[in-house]
Amino acid sequence: AQTVTQSQPEMSVQEAETVTLSCTYDTSESDYYLFWYKQPPSRQMILVIRQEAYKQQNATENRFSVNFQKAAKSFSLKISDSQLGDAAMYFCAYRSAYAGGTSYGKLTFGQGTILTVHP
Amino acid sequence: KAGVTQTPRYLIKTRGQQVTLSCSPISGHRSVSWYQQTPGQGLQFLFEYFSETQRNKGNFPGRFSGRQFSNSRSEMNVSTLELGDSALYLCASSPGSTSSYEQYFGPGTRLTVT
Repeated sequence: AQTVTQSQPEMSVQEAETVTLSCTYDTSESDYYLFWYKQPPSRQMILVIRQEAYKQQNATENRFSVNFQKAAKSFSLKISDSQLGDAAMYFCAYRSAYAGGTSYGKLTFGQGTILTVHP
Repeated sequence: KAGVTQTPRYLIKTRGQQVTLSCSPISGHRSVSWYQQTPGQGLQFLFEYFSETQRNKGNFPGRFSGRQFSNSRSEMNVSTLELGDSALYLCASSPGSTSSYEQYFGPGTRLTVT
């Protein structure tokens, strides 16, 4: 079974500065997808960024980028130029790329990191 | 396109009762997954439906069940409610049958069992 670990229960950052959230995972599979989701106080889960394991290039989405280290099974999220609206709980998630059985439709989440942004 | 919708948004039930939650996926999406979110256990996968068939089920007791209709709308049912069932229930939809698609989440249903 796959596991996802976020070792930072809470992080804080000053507005306009950069912060990095950590995530490690454990899997015996070679093909999978990794995601970062944001959950603001409204509780609506919002997809921030996704990474395919077969791609060596790190994904970027505007101010959000990842550092994907497949061998180390590490997937960190960097938020640049932090904004007040970035304050939320951030979840790292794993999804198998193999279609079938216990893989269908299942995201495995980490425990989350609460990000506070100070003005 | 409209996003994923869930009804009701809030629900209070008594121990021993049963409850049905509804999820309407994004138009054209055929896969619906359900998750339970609690402070203690975090986000846990309940089950996934595609084209009216349950393809995957998480490690939850049989009191948790679901179904999907021909229009891809999905319901989940919890019978004989226990206090520990109090949680935020999230559903997520994705376009197709492969795992390459992202999941898009609804706003959740907050269930409180007293």
